[in-house]
Amino acid sequence: QVQLVQSGTEVKKPGSSVKVSCKASGGTFSRYAISWVRQAPGQGLEWLGGFIPILGTADYALRLQGRITITTDELRSTAYMELSSLTSDDTGVYYCARESYRGNSDWPDGFDIWGQGTVVNVFS
Amino acid sequence: IQLTQSPSSLSASVGDRVTITCRASQDISSALAWYQQRPGKVPKFLIYDTSRLQSGVPSRFSGSGSGTDFTLTISSLQPEDFATYYCQQFNSFPFTFGPGTRVDIK
Repeated sequence: QVQLVQSGTEVKKPGSSVKVSCKASGGTFSRYAISWVRQAPGQGLEWLGGFIPILGTADYALRLQGRITITTDELRSTAYMELSSLTSDDTGVYYCARESYRGNSDWPDGFDIWGQGTVVNVFS
Repeated sequence: IQLTQSPSSLSASVGDRVTITCRASQDISSALAWYQQRPGKVPKFLIYDTSRLQSGVPSRFSGSGSGTDFTLTISSLQPEDFATYYCQQFNSFPFTFGPGTRVDIK
């Protein structure tokens, strides 16, 4: 059974960077496309960015562009999300999620498997 | 593309029929998904392409709509359905989520 296992809680100072990992077990990682979603305390879900195979690149939420980088390491079956210039507004739970593709479709229709979440706490 | 949901919260009883609306700021065809998130838990994928149930999702959940107006219906609310529900569009980047609808016990 496919699982996504994320790295542990991070405590960061404002202005620093954080890098969260998401390791896949089961299945063929090269066929995965991973998106990242965060949830601020008591708030809703926010899509941060994701890798779309047909584009061969990652796309990012406009308000995070310039601060976020999503990468993958197929040898390690691991995806990474790095966020720089952290502020207290970046505090929250960060999830990786596998994009769901049906049949021969090259466009996702949902996020079917989620990591357990990584708490990122930014405070001085 | 902006998504709005209504209501933002509702109270209902076990056995009630519940309908949640999601509206897109522009035509997204049928590229809409729904998720359920129980408190402290990871979101669960319920519906894709507006109306198709993800494997393992109970048949009391259904979705409908097209273009800009969509609904999620729970035909007979069960105790485990008390949660927050989010819509998400996959028509184009960014894959925005709606703000969520919380379903509480009356």
